[in-house]
Amino acid sequence: DAGITQSPRHKVTETGTPVTLRCHQTENHRYMYWYRQDPGHGLRLIHYSYGVKDTDKGEVSDGYSVSRSKTEDFLLTLESATSSQTSVYFCAISRTGHMNTEAFFGQGTRLTVV
Amino acid sequence: QQQVKQSPQSLIVQKGGISIINCAYENTAFDYFPWYQQFPGKGPALLIAIRPDVSEKKEGRFTISFNKSAKQFSLHIMDSQPGDSATYFCAASKGGNDYKLSFGAGTTVTVRA
Repeated sequence: DAGITQSPRHKVTETGTPVTLRCHQTENHRYMYWYRQDPGHGLRLIHYSYGVKDTDKGEVSDGYSVSRSKTEDFLLTLESATSSQTSVYFCAISRTGHMNTEAFFGQGTRLTVV
Repeated sequence: QQQVKQSPQSLIVQKGGISIINCAYENTAFDYFPWYQQFPGKGPALLIAIRPDVSEKKEGRFTISFNKSAKQFSLHIMDSQPGDSATYFCAASKGGNDYKLSFGAGTTVTVRA
């Protein structure tokens, strides 16, 4: 497996509480991504980063924010969790942003909002 | 709105049989089409990828067929094995430095021994 660690791996939280998921990489890759995976939808991009402090929105960014203060860490924050954010969240990394560059995925974080 | 439509949602094949998964897209700016394989409890991993300047790419028992005019591409798994049982996702991205992947909904393949 590529050097990607997601934490926590599982979390149950209550509606309205803030939640932060962490992605840590040891590959020194420039690009990092957060996806969510839901049945019937595949994986959908939430936010991505193309360098330290450089981030941009994906297709399902509402309700989420991200930060990247170091190359190796990419944080995903749900400011006020809702039941619709119950999902499996995957972090991915890639060496470059070029289309032929392989993306490596972490093992995922299963988040349940009750 | 899903930019890449994938079918079937699931399929069951006997050991030694052929699994076929189909994907279609509308955005003609897409220029790179990877397939990812995902086992339960794991993240997706790149299986094979193709660009539209070729009509077919083969790696071992896995083959991508690409039809640019129809905006369709498919994955064929030949001589399917129980170890191939997984969820497969097709995806697409635009050219240049835009590596944002648009994924299909996924196909769960079960290979019966």
